[in-house]
Amino acid sequence: GQQVMQIPQYQHVQEGEDFTTYCNSSTTLSNIQWYKQRPGGHPVFLIQLVKSGEVKKQKRLTFQFGEAKKNSSLHITATQTTDVGTYFCAGRGNYQLIWGAGTKLIIKP
Amino acid sequence: DGGITQSPKYLFRKEGQNVTLSCEQNLNHDAMYWYRQDPGQGLRLIYYSQIVNDFQKGDIAEGYSVSREKKESFPLTVTSAQKNPTAFYLCASSISGSTTDTQYFGPGTRLTVL
Repeated sequence: GQQVMQIPQYQHVQEGEDFTTYCNSSTTLSNIQWYKQRPGGHPVFLIQLVKSGEVKKQKRLTFQFGEAKKNSSLHITATQTTDVGTYFCAGRGNYQLIWGAGTKLIIKP
Repeated sequence: DGGITQSPKYLFRKEGQNVTLSCEQNLNHDAMYWYRQDPGQGLRLIYYSQIVNDFQKGDIAEGYSVSREKKESFPLTVTSAQKNPTAFYLCASSISGSTTDTQYFGPGTRLTVL
């Protein structure tokens, strides 16, 4: 079946360093969404990408959708403590969202 | 306030008991979903409903049942047939079931089987 692989599972960074998470699909996606889940919380929608090669920015966050619409990435510049949480991609397959396993962003003390 | 509510926040159950998790939304959304999240993992779809009185199985429906008698409500029953029910359960809704909808999540119910 359709799968979305997300890597890495965890990323430890010093505050101020950059963070990147990647998603790869086995099939072409009609769109991809990104969500953030704070520790103990629920997923909150961040953004949706629809077009091939699309790039969108939200302050320090940059989202990309690959040309073949099979991969996507989220890059955070100069991480802050408020960025802590797990970031999920979710690709739209044939009928429903297919979720990646998430990347947990951990800020080193 | 508009939103999705789930109750209870924490639930403890003895083995062999059925338990029902509540999910209510006042967003006037047509579609509702139930997901299961296990530690360190993504979300897995249990059931979804795109309209009242209709619902479909997701990827892990075995041992679960749902109903959609009202637009606002989509309760999930975890039956004794579910082999490993301890998990975090998330309910979500979207305007419709279309491919560009975003999903809005409730705060979740953490179920522990003792």
